[in-house]
Amino acid sequence: NAGVTQTPKFRVLKTGQSMTLLCAQDMNHEYMYWYRQDPGMGLRLIHYSVGEGTTAKGEVPDGYNVSRLKKQNFLLGLESAAPSQTSVYFCASSPTGTGQAEAFFGQGTRLTVV
Amino acid sequence: RKEVEQDPGPFNVPEGATVAFNCTYSNSASQSFFWYRQDCRKEPKLLMSVYSSGNEDGRFTAQLNRASQYISLLIRDSKLSDSATYLCVVNKLPSGGSYIPTFGRGTSLIVHP
Repeated sequence: NAGVTQTPKFRVLKTGQSMTLLCAQDMNHEYMYWYRQDPGMGLRLIHYSVGEGTTAKGEVPDGYNVSRLKKQNFLLGLESAAPSQTSVYFCASSPTGTGQAEAFFGQGTRLTVV
Repeated sequence: RKEVEQDPGPFNVPEGATVAFNCTYSNSASQSFFWYRQDCRKEPKLLMSVYSSGNEDGRFTAQLNRASQYISLLIRDSKLSDSATYLCVVNKLPSGGSYIPTFGRGTSLIVHP
């Protein structure tokens, strides 16, 4: 069972470069999320999606864009990377938004912007 | 003020000890509650849900006090393998009508021989 898969696992970017992080889930989940985790800050929600073709802003959306063209994929884009975006990025999915749903996480992407 | 507050620790305890973590949340509309475990440089994984009546899973006991907006996790007979960061998670209902997991910063537990 693959679950939630993130690509790539590691990346180093130069300031101003762009990149896309891919999240794929094979559990037919409706909800998908992108979080970033920084030391001492916990996980903070960047964007989320409640279904194919929908996206919404989370707590820290600035500098990021997302797309959910297919139900199984949720893409996170950085148009012009900044050192402040150095972080560990986690994608997660859950079956519904009914409250009791468990979130399943990918293994994370460690991004360094120099 | 962060919506979900936890003492970051670290809690440094010997094997066999009992340790308790607390978590407070600010949004009274929060509907469901969880504890996740995160090992170093790994993804978070669900440890247990937290129910109003309290619930137990082996050595782990979770409690919820809605009136005080307070959640707790008790670990009995600590093992070396319990060393990890424990994340308090609250599913809250934003304006869009969907429950979104909101994470505390986590509490670090170190169990030593």
